[in-house]
Amino acid sequence: AQKVTQAQTEISVVEKEDVTLDCVYETRDTTYYLFWYKQPPSGELVFLIRRNSFDEQNEISGRYSWNFQKSTSSFNFTITASQVVDSAVYFCARTYGGATNKLIFGTGTLLAVQP
Amino acid sequence: DTGVSQDPRHKITKRGQNVTFRCDPISEHNRLYWYRQTLGQGPEFLTYFQNEAQLEKSRLLSDRFSAERPKGSFSTLEIQRTEQGDSAMYLCASSWGETQYFGPGTRLLVL
Repeated sequence: AQKVTQAQTEISVVEKEDVTLDCVYETRDTTYYLFWYKQPPSGELVFLIRRNSFDEQNEISGRYSWNFQKSTSSFNFTITASQVVDSAVYFCARTYGGATNKLIFGTGTLLAVQP
Repeated sequence: DTGVSQDPRHKITKRGQNVTFRCDPISEHNRLYWYRQTLGQGPEFLTYFQNEAQLEKSRLLSDRFSAERPKGSFSTLEIQRTEQGDSAMYLCASSWGETQYFGPGTRLLVL
């Protein structure tokens, strides 16, 4: 099965700690896109980042950074100096099934940042 | 610049009733997707439109479900003869390229 695995179901940290969310995916596709979305308690999925399968350059954006390693099929997400507002469920996803670009999601990681 | 909107945000209905949800995508986005999310799970793909054409439907979309996107603008998702197993969050997303932007969802509870 071509699935996305987020092995961490819940993570709890204290404010200002760094935290890394893991994502491992399976695919037979040669071209695909990877995403991270954030879902706060309000329920709306908020887009954070997109990576295509040809771009393994890691990225830093403010307190967020991403580590894409095609050789291990991993796309991990790190929050530096976490804040209470970072508390949410984080989903990793990838496109599958050709030109429609429909997404398959992991089961999500609930991040709780304690003050 | 408005995002994706969905209406209603919450719906409570009795088993056997029909319900209809509406999604207004970001203007000029030609692609529109419906997903369903149950508690503790990630969203699951239901169906995809490119402009007004429904190009793909998941096996999750039983005969009781129908979706339309007349004129390639807003979309509706109708569930006929609702069952308790239909209780979920129904999410709509739109895109122009590869990145999908999601609406706030419609939370359905079937009693």
